Amino acid sequence: QVQLQESGPGLVKPSETLSLTCTVSGDSISGYYWTWIRQPPGKGLEWIGDIYYSGSTNYNPSLKSRVTILVDMSKNQISLKVRSVTAADTAVYFCARVLQGRLDPWGQGTLVTVSS
Amino acid sequence: QSVLTQPPSLSGAPGQRVTISCTGSSSNIGAAYDVHWYQQLPGTAPKLLIYGNSNRPSGVPDRFSGSKSGTSASLAIAGLQAEDEAYYYCQSFDSRLSGYVFGSGTKVTVL
Repeated sequence: QVQLQESGPGLVKPSETLSLTCTVSGDSISGYYWTWIRQPPGKGLEWIGDIYYSGSTNYNPSLKSRVTILVDMSKNQISLKVRSVTAADTAVYFCARVLQGRLDPWGQGTLVTVSS
Repeated sequence: QSVLTQPPSLSGAPGQRVTISCTGSSSNIGAAYDVHWYQQLPGTAPKLLIYGNSNRPSGVPDRFSGSKSGTSASLAIAGLQAEDEAYYYCQSFDSRLSGYVFGSGTKVTVL
């Protein structure tokens, strides 16, 4: 079955760029939408944005100016970049597949802490 | 704050029934977008519990059921078990945001 795995640095300095990768195994990313979600410690879930396998994107307006999501078909990967990070960007970041509006499955998530 | 509103916490004794509400608006649940529910156990990723308002993925016990009416949806857990202690989130699509929205989350405690 399809599995997703997030990877990237666990610590990022304020004002720098957070970069994460989501590697999809067990199925091709072709034909689907893929999304990034984050969850600050002890808080709820926030949608960051999504991308179709063709490369078209849609972002949360609250983050749009700082976020880029890309797809790499050759590696079966989705990537996320968040620029000019602050402590408010500290969160567990999840990637997930979108199926008719529902998110399934999810990756296990990766904690990114913004601190100097 | 979250676009969809859920009660922060609910509790029940083993065997009891609990119902979690999810209240939205005319731009999401009320606009006929489907509602989906996720269960998040401590330290793990959310897991799809109910999709398309009332459908259970393979492997989800039939103790879990979902419904939707107007601008609200509900998740019911019948015959509460200790393993059901978790956070539960509703999720839908919002036409104003042009993206996905989540509920604020409900912590279910089994007494």
